[in-house]
Amino acid sequence: GESVGLHLPTLSVQEGDNSIINCAYSNSASDYFIWYKQESGKGPQFIIDIRSNMDKRQGQRVTVLLNKTVKHLSLQIAATQPGDSAVYFCAEHTGQGAQKLVFGQGTRLTINP
Amino acid sequence: NAGVMQNPRHLVRRRGQEARLRCSPMKGHSHVYWYRQLPEEGLKFMVYLQKENIIDESGMPKERFSAEFPKEGPSILRIQQVVRGDSAAYFCASSRDRNTEAFFGQGTRLTVV
Repeated sequence: GESVGLHLPTLSVQEGDNSIINCAYSNSASDYFIWYKQESGKGPQFIIDIRSNMDKRQGQRVTVLLNKTVKHLSLQIAATQPGDSAVYFCAEHTGQGAQKLVFGQGTRLTINP
Repeated sequence: NAGVMQNPRHLVRRRGQEARLRCSPMKGHSHVYWYRQLPEEGLKFMVYLQKENIIDESGMPKERFSAEFPKEGPSILRIQQVVRGDSAAYFCASSRDRNTEAFFGQGTRLTVV
């Protein structure tokens, strides 16, 4: 089965609050991770990535944290806006042998006005 | 610089017909991935190709499915003798190298009737 999983399938937050989406992975050999956002009827959109030699990376309003000790990845979205409503997927690249991105099931983020 | 282009966006086939899905990667990208997505589920890896080579096809069904990425032209995912269970969204992604950002197309939604 897939080695990437998510703690919560759905997350509701108030507009303006910060959102935290979590992801667990099981392959300790994974060396590259990506967060994607998918809106209804569209393809996944790249948000931010992080390599295994880092533990934190910041983008515009988003931060990805990587904890290799417990094999945990999180995406933090600051000041959540209505346009952030989507399904968020984490994906890991195993980096050895099989050259593929493995996706988790996704977390649906909904924004309450 | 155009993004990953997939066509058609929607495809309807009768059981037993063939489906051909096309993917043109971003300019300068020679790595292509195909994924399948069922409603309310994550993306399942199917195949990873570089120009003229299949690198990893561990997610491809053993029968009826094939993929190619010729020297010239788009990558093609071919499904022969389609069945209702093949109905899904098929996404293509491309990257410049392995372990760099993979960008997705808008997908082809296949419906088998």
